[in-house]
Amino acid sequence: EPEVTQTPSHQVTQMGQEVILRCVPISNHLYFYWYRQILGQKVEFLVSFYNNEISEKSEIFDDQFSVERPDGSNFTLKIRSTKLEDSAMYFCASSEIAAAGTQYFGPGTRLTVL
Amino acid sequence: GQNIDQPTEMTATEGAIVQINCTYQTSGFNGLFWYQQHAGEAPTFLSYNVLDGLEEKGRFSSFLSRSKGYSYLLLKELQMKDSASYLCAVRGSNDYKLSFGAGTTVTVRA
Repeated sequence: EPEVTQTPSHQVTQMGQEVILRCVPISNHLYFYWYRQILGQKVEFLVSFYNNEISEKSEIFDDQFSVERPDGSNFTLKIRSTKLEDSAMYFCASSEIAAAGTQYFGPGTRLTVL
Repeated sequence: GQNIDQPTEMTATEGAIVQINCTYQTSGFNGLFWYQQHAGEAPTFLSYNVLDGLEEKGRFSSFLSRSKGYSYLLLKELQMKDSASYLCAVRGSNDYKLSFGAGTTVTVRA
């Protein structure tokens, strides 16, 4: 069964450093998302992406964040200058269609900012 | 915005039935999803309701009443592996993002 994959599974970085989290969505899916989950808290939406542009972003997704689809398979989330409060599990998700499609989540990247 | 409420914790015995309720108040509605999440893992899709009524999928069923802003997930014939967090999520009508509740931790005891 096709699945969303993410790398790395764990990332430890120093405050102020840039990180890039990578995702490979399910191959025939057109809509891509990033969510995050701070330990012990609920899953929060960050950004959605379709047709090579951002469809929607939350208040969390400020100028320090960016997304890109550098090629036909990868979807990346970049945090330019990490803060302690960026420590969380970051989940990539994809769906075949937006309005009625189910979003399937990847296994996540655990980001720890020291 | 979306306000989604579900109980924090529930405990049940192996083989029993558990019902997890979810109430929501949203600015728009285009579907309600239930996901299962084991600790440290990704949410896994369980069920989806967009029309009123019951959707059954093996041991899991989900019900929706749009007029009441209410859904429940019913887990039957509980197994130890069903111990997990169950997340209720609503999709808005003007956007495609999911807004999640805080999750209900279900503990299945022998």
